[in-house]
Formats: sequence, structure tokens, C-alpha cells
Amino acid sequence: EQQVQQSPASLVLQEGENAELQCSFSIFTNQVQWFYQRPGGRLVSLLYNPSGTKQSGRLTSTTVIKERRSSLHISSSQITDSGTYLCAMESDQGGRALIFGTGTTVSVSP
Amino acid sequence: GGIITQTPKFLIGQEGQKLTLKCQQNFNHDTMYWYRQDSGKGLRLIYYSITENDLQKGDLSEGYDASREKKSSFSLTVTSAQKNEMAVFLCASSMGGLPNERLFFGHGTKLSVL
Repeated sequence: EQQVQQSPASLVLQEGENAELQCSFSIFTNQVQWFYQRPGGRLVSLLYNPSGTKQSGRLTSTTVIKERRSSLHISSSQITDSGTYLCAMESDQGGRALIFGTGTTVSVSP
Repeated sequence: GGIITQTPKFLIGQEGQKLTLKCQQNFNHDTMYWYRQDSGKGLRLIYYSITENDLQKGDLSEGYDASREKKSSFSLTVTSAQKNEMAVFLCASSMGGLPNERLFFGHGTKLSVL
């Protein structure tokens, strides 16, 4: 069974701290996306990063394909960063489906 | 910009009932998806469709039917609701044939079965 593992399951930060979220894959994949979901909100695609390093604002993703892992770095966390971060990989079944991890819940306090 | 609209937002059903969830997108995207989100289990793919009238099964397709009669809409039917079932069903869409397209999601339909 193809799997995506995320760690940690939850994270508590003080505003201004940095955070590193990890994602590991059971298969080699050439598509990795990171998503964000505020409680009660819709899932939003943050970054598409199949390999190497990509940055978007305070978010930096690094994907190392040969090690089957990806990370998401949040710098200078803000209260509005609170929510759940999910990573996803492409299924090896072909087609266009993504397989998701169970997410890391981030809580940023003042 | 476009939007994905899911209806209804909340759905309460009875055990054994057939329930239909609807999804509309105005991105003009080719591919649409239905995912189920359960607490602690992440998202699991139920069905997806790469074009009008196309259907592809995901890992969780048993117990569900889907229909893509128009490019802009994708519906999901729970064929027989299970007692005490509670989950959020998420519809998503992406542009084209390549797997590196970003996914756009709707707000979800929250299902509760009595």
C-alpha cells in the first residue's frame, strides 16, 4: 500500500519561532504538493515541489527524491499560520490522483 | 479566479439511505476528484474523472458511485449510508493531463448518518 507519513503529528509554536514539518513516501514519486487547511476552511495548495527547493513567502519546501522525503519550513511563524499542513504525492497507479498524508497540526500562540 | 462549490454543506442521512453530493467548478478544469476526509486518516481518494463522462476508481470507491455528465460538474452518490458514519467529502479539480497541476478544493460536505 502506498503511504505518506508526516511528522510531527502536531506542533505548538510561539509566534516568531521557526518550524520544520517532515513528509516521507513509501514509493519514489515525481510529484509532491504541500497543502494547508485552516480549521473549518478549505484545503489550499501551498507549494508544488517535485524536487529541490522551492520558496513561497515564509514557506520553503525541500524535496529529496532519492531519499523519498520532503520538508516544509515555516519561518517566523504567525498566529495565522495555525492549521493543518498536509503533504501529498502522486500515486504510482498512473492517472492523476494524489495520495495524502494525515497532516501536521500547527498551533501558533502569541 | 475560479471557485469550486459543493452542495449541500451539511448532509444528515438515515442508515441505508442513498445520498448524493454535488460539486461544480468554473475553472474549466479537465480533472475532478472526490476525496473522503476522516479524522486521523488523512484524505482518501474515492473517484476521479479526467474528462466529461470519464470515471476512474480510487482506493475507496466501494460503496460509492460517481457521475461526470458535464465538464463543470461531478457528483458522488453514497449508495447505502452506514450507521454512525461521519466524514467530510471534498471535491477538487485540476487543469489538465499532467500530474503536476495544482489541486483546488471545495469547502466540503459534512456527512452524518443517524
